[in-house]
Amino acid sequence: KNEVEQSPQNLTAQEGEFITINCSYSVGISALHWLQQHPGGGIVSLFMLSSGKKKHGRLIATINIQEKHSSLHITASHPRDSAVYICAVRANTGTASKLTFGTGTRLQVTL
Amino acid sequence: GAGVSQTPSNKVTEKGKYVELRCDPISGHTALYWYRQSLGQGPEFLIYFQGTGAADDSGLPNDRFFAVRPEGSVSTLKIQRTERGDSAVYLCASSLGLASYNEQFFGPGTRLTVL
Repeated sequence: KNEVEQSPQNLTAQEGEFITINCSYSVGISALHWLQQHPGGGIVSLFMLSSGKKKHGRLIATINIQEKHSSLHITASHPRDSAVYICAVRANTGTASKLTFGTGTRLQVTL
Repeated sequence: GAGVSQTPSNKVTEKGKYVELRCDPISGHTALYWYRQSLGQGPEFLIYFQGTGAADDSGLPNDRFFAVRPEGSVSTLKIQRTERGDSAVYLCASSLGLASYNEQFFGPGTRLTVL
């Protein structure tokens, strides 16, 4: 079992739809990251959070530490949101600085 | 630009050859990380540096892989006797420090193809 699991693996939505991507993890963490990766490989950090909720534009990230679960929401989705969204965690034990990544959720938003 | 840069962006080599991948972190970032991303997978940790020293190299798959950061800034990932299984995107990231509140900033990656 991977330490970080995401669902769904693939997601297709129509423009304007509300989108939710889920991330579950099995280790104690000091921080969780949501990252966006466009074709070509470049990774952009969307959020880093350790509790509660953060919002940036149409993106919202929440985390429940007790349940070891986080969600990334996209409101009013747009084709330019099409990308792979990756959840990554920093464990609070061992080598605490490295990130452990999920396999990503490939999102395609169509007109 | 002020972001993390990596060179080359693409590298094609033959099995058995030696390759070097370079990462220029954001100026002033003391922590530097190398990750490897195989097709369809999330990135996997290889090694990270705090300053000039490798603080954790537990992710390096075998002794063909080596990384250096001699002056605490630019880092080079070196792969000897490349194998087809080494084909992947190699990502570099840097952060102000190792603490969990320091965000990691990623470079565009180097796509390595071993024929």
